[in-house]
Amino acid sequence: DTEVTQTPKHLVMGMTNKKSLKCEQHMGHRAMYWYKQKAKKPPELMFVYSYEKLSINESVPSRFSPECPNSSLLNLHLHALQPEDSALYLCASSPGPGRNTGELFFGEGSRLTVL
Amino acid sequence: KNQVEQSPQSLIILEGKNCTLQCNYTVSPFSNLRWYKQDTGRGPVSLTIMTFSENTKSNGRYTATLDADTKQSSLHITASQLSDSASYICVVSGQIYNQGGKLIFGQGTELSVKP
Repeated sequence: DTEVTQTPKHLVMGMTNKKSLKCEQHMGHRAMYWYKQKAKKPPELMFVYSYEKLSINESVPSRFSPECPNSSLLNLHLHALQPEDSALYLCASSPGPGRNTGELFFGEGSRLTVL
Repeated sequence: KNQVEQSPQSLIILEGKNCTLQCNYTVSPFSNLRWYKQDTGRGPVSLTIMTFSENTKSNGRYTATLDADTKQSSLHITASQLSDSASYICVVSGQIYNQGGKLIFGQGTELSVKP
């Protein structure tokens, strides 16, 4: 079983809706990530949080807004999305700076459909 | 340009047979290479991680090899099972930066095991 928990597993939303994806880990990891994955493609990095601070934003549109309330939680707020944003959104965590061996632990993902 | 290329793109084998998946990379400097298994609609799960000094690493029926000189890795699956049907992704980590280095994902190999 994955130790990174994502909710909801499935989300359907309209283009005017506001929703949030949630991610939680209790492994004491200090780096957390959001990835977007389209069908039959590898995951694409969106954001990286390191010690609860946003350290990488891969030029993601502002309709995606990440938030890291504490070291165990990571949210992705969604607003005014487009149908092409439909994808599997993966959360991941790793031990963090200075101790990162490339070890990424992924959650099961949130399947997002934008109508 | 840092790249990770996997072959074949897809593979169909009969249950009980062995197979080998390939990964070539041009990532430099190199930190480590990881193989992930991803079932359809689920998050990737780590199979092995290999650093520069490691040539072979096994995890049950999965054996990964790494040739850091030629920048090639392979994943060998023995006595395949129906549950091995999945996408296998090769991920290479570059030099560790302050938040752990950039991960370069391959496009994946789609393996289908038939009865």
